Amino acid sequence: DAGVTQSPTHLIKTRGQQVTLRCSPKSGHDTVSWYQQALGQGPQFIFQYYEEEERQRGNFPDRFSGHQFPNYSSELNVNALLLGDSALYLCASSSFNGRETQYFGPGTRLLVL
Amino acid sequence: AQSVTQPDIHITVSEGASLELRCNYSYGATPYLFWYVQSPGQGLQLLLKYFSGDTLVQGIKGFEAEFKRSQSSFNLRKPSVHWSDAAEYFCAAAINTGTASKLTFGTGTRLQVTL
Repeated sequence: DAGVTQSPTHLIKTRGQQVTLRCSPKSGHDTVSWYQQALGQGPQFIFQYYEEEERQRGNFPDRFSGHQFPNYSSELNVNALLLGDSALYLCASSSFNGRETQYFGPGTRLLVL
Repeated sequence: AQSVTQPDIHITVSEGASLELRCNYSYGATPYLFWYVQSPGQGLQLLLKYFSGDTLVQGIKGFEAEFKRSQSSFNLRKPSVHWSDAAEYFCAAAINTGTASKLTFGTGTRLQVTL
């Protein structure tokens, strides 16, 4: 049983560019959440997708957007990259049942130069 | 505002010694509580979770945590630490809304194990 997978593992971009990160949830899960983890910090919630809709959003600007596909996989898009967007981006999957345990992928390390 | 606090940024213990990592939460109601571990450059692995019921929770890798409502705490413990336990440990909480909810994390405690 595959766990949560993310691609790519590492990415280097320059300021102003756009980036797309991908996540496939654990088998049987239908909800995907995205988190940003800056160096030396705990993960910060970006947003959560269920039934192809954004259900909750953290305190992140509109430059951060996402999508969920019918197979429950998800993408995180970041436009107009800033140096401060450099971080580890973590995807977590869970079941939408109110007693959720979120399982995390290995993350995508984004460096913005 | 809802928050999770891990007072210790860095802890060093000797291999074989006992370990306790502290976690306090500030929520209007008792949230779901979790401990995750992160090895360098890796994602987060769930150690254990508390939803309700027995306040002493057993997890993987020999870890346990005790929920204390009166202290708003959920401290992680291990009787005998192994060198492989060196990692970053995160306490997290999620409010019980009856539907999917976001995790709020503490800032983490880095555990160093000396031989």
